[in-house]
Amino acid sequence: AQSVTQLGSHVSVSEGALVLLRCNYSSSVPPYLFWYVQYPNQGLQLLLKYTSAATLVKGINGFEAEFKKSETSFHLTKPSAHMSDAAEYFCAVSLFQTSGSRLTFGEGTQLTVNP
Amino acid sequence: GAGVSQTPSNKVTEKGKYVELRCDPISGHTALYWYRQSLGQGPEFLIYFQGTGAADDSGLPNDRFFAVRPEGSVSTLKIQRTERGDSAMYLCASSIAGYGTDTQYFGPGTRLTVL
Repeated sequence: AQSVTQLGSHVSVSEGALVLLRCNYSSSVPPYLFWYVQYPNQGLQLLLKYTSAATLVKGINGFEAEFKKSETSFHLTKPSAHMSDAAEYFCAVSLFQTSGSRLTFGEGTQLTVNP
Repeated sequence: GAGVSQTPSNKVTEKGKYVELRCDPISGHTALYWYRQSLGQGPEFLIYFQGTGAADDSGLPNDRFFAVRPEGSVSTLKIQRTERGDSAMYLCASSIAGYGTDTQYFGPGTRLTVL
């Protein structure tokens, strides 16, 4: 079975500061990893995904994440936070299964950006 | 193009009543997923359809929950004898084929409140 742990349910940064949201996974087979963002009263939007190609993945809105197998991590970063980045962020893992690939989500990290 | 749509956006019902939640996936997507998101939590998998068939319903909490996708497009999640604990955001997602690398596109959700 696979699982995801997001360290820090709330992260607060100043506008222009580095954003670092942590995600660690547990999987018995090589995983596929995703970061989604959820704005208030909206559905989840994909930021980026790792599918076993390049370990450094670039996504939308200046976000990127690096897959580190030795650390079982897939942390999300952005060099300079913007006010519009305030939202909830979810890390998720999937496995290819013959019956389909459900996503298993972490508990989420609420990002606050202070002016 | 049109994304995943869900209706209604909000549903308030009384304990013991029956409800139906509808999901209209992206055209051409064969895979459809239902998730449930409680307040402050990440989404949890309920059921996965590949075409018309429920390929994995292991996430349904009990036999009060049932879902159909009769023509391989629109899906309906049905909840009988609703309980207060069923109150949550119900999210639908679709992907092109259901592989682990495929992006799941989420709808805006239906917020169910059971009084």
